[in-house]
Amino acid sequence: DTGVSQDPRHKITKRGQNVTFRCDPISEHNRLYWYRQTLGQGPEFLTYFQNEAQLEKSRLLSDRFSAERPKGSFSTLEIQRTEQGDSAMYLCASRQTTGELFFGEGSRLTVL
Amino acid sequence: AQKITQTQPGMFVQEKEAVTLDCTYDTSDPSYGLFWYKQPSSGEMIFLIYQGSYDQQNATEGRYSLNFQKARKSANLVISASQLGDSAMYFCAMREGNAGNMLTFGGGTRLMVKP
Repeated sequence: DTGVSQDPRHKITKRGQNVTFRCDPISEHNRLYWYRQTLGQGPEFLTYFQNEAQLEKSRLLSDRFSAERPKGSFSTLEIQRTEQGDSAMYLCASRQTTGELFFGEGSRLTVL
Repeated sequence: AQKITQTQPGMFVQEKEAVTLDCTYDTSDPSYGLFWYKQPSSGEMIFLIYQGSYDQQNATEGRYSLNFQKARKSANLVISASQLGDSAMYFCAMREGNAGNMLTFGGGTRLMVKP
């Protein structure tokens, strides 16, 4: 499968725990995006990487959230001290310099 | 103000008929792109069609066409000959020329195709 892959697909955690999601973009894509989607809403932009550089961060990305793309390939999104309001689908997407955005199937987080 | 507005939370369409999903947008940037994505229950966002603000003709991709009315700031998706597999959430999105590279999404429309 050469699409965008995300892991894990589902995560259930207790409030206060840390969680980490991984995204493997399409191999030749230099741009990688994280979005968050809550139930019944459209995706909301969180952050964007061009190669290993994090170029944009949304105000939604509080200091409990950190994203990395250390070698310009896969990316991780970590949420520290999770809160119930963090429960959402976390979507990763990638693209080349031009062209359409390809999304993964998402990582669904449930915080109890 | 909302940048992307989808006013239809849910729509029903009879199989084999055409359906129009509404999308209006708000931007002051002369350069922008409009996108439609389909999201089935599996969660993956599937790209359907793209319209650039300077494109002279309406975009078409198979059974999908985009009714682009620039003066009215609308970019409605038309699906012809609906199929049961078209049942899904549909999202309209915009990328503005001066907003980096992010897409701004609308709230979505759930389309249900009746057999």
